[in-house]
Amino acid sequence: QKEVEQNSGPLSVPEGAIASLNCTYSDRGSQSFFWYRQYSGKSPELIMFIYSNGDKEDGRFTAQLNKASQYVSLLIRDSQPSDSATYLCAVNDGGSNYKLTFGKGTLLTVNP
Amino acid sequence: EPEVTQTPSHQVTQMGQEVILRCVPISNHLYFYWYRQILGQKVEFLVSFYNNEISEKSEIFDDQFSVERPDGSNFTLKIRSTKLEDSAMYFCASTSGALAGGPYFGPGTRLTVL
Repeated sequence: QKEVEQNSGPLSVPEGAIASLNCTYSDRGSQSFFWYRQYSGKSPELIMFIYSNGDKEDGRFTAQLNKASQYVSLLIRDSQPSDSATYLCAVNDGGSNYKLTFGKGTLLTVNP
Repeated sequence: EPEVTQTPSHQVTQMGQEVILRCVPISNHLYFYWYRQILGQKVEFLVSFYNNEISEKSEIFDDQFSVERPDGSNFTLKIRSTKLEDSAMYFCASTSGALAGGPYFGPGTRLTVL
């Protein structure tokens, strides 16, 4: 059974701070890693994907992947109240076409 | 920006009834999916569809479920005889393929089985 683990939170940060969200996964064969943002009652919104070890930056978001440690993280710089949401980590194994396994998500609250 | 669309947004049905959930994936995408999320739980994979056939399905996707791409734009999920435990948000998603990012999710259909 493939597992994706996230700190359930809630994680609370002040506006303007860096929010750090973490995720570990069990399947060493996993190849693709995704971060989704989900507002309450809404669908998951893709914000980052990463395939290679290292960092990938997109605006205020940075995804970090360490396949040896089976660890992926998301940093949100200059956090805004509008970033308050549940962040879902999702992992795809190498042999499938985006059959994603999701974590339970981390609830982030950014306080003004 | 192109989006996945889903109809209806909310479907209420009686146990044992058939329901069809509809989706229009992003137009140049090739891979289509259904996921579901029971209230308060994880998003779960149901099925993936490529080249007019199912490419993968989960253990949840039993004989009560079927998918179809009846024309060039629509993608449907049918539940033949709904159960109380089928109550969930059902999300359609699509992507253009490997390394393209995604899947990109639609807004979902909330299915309530009474």
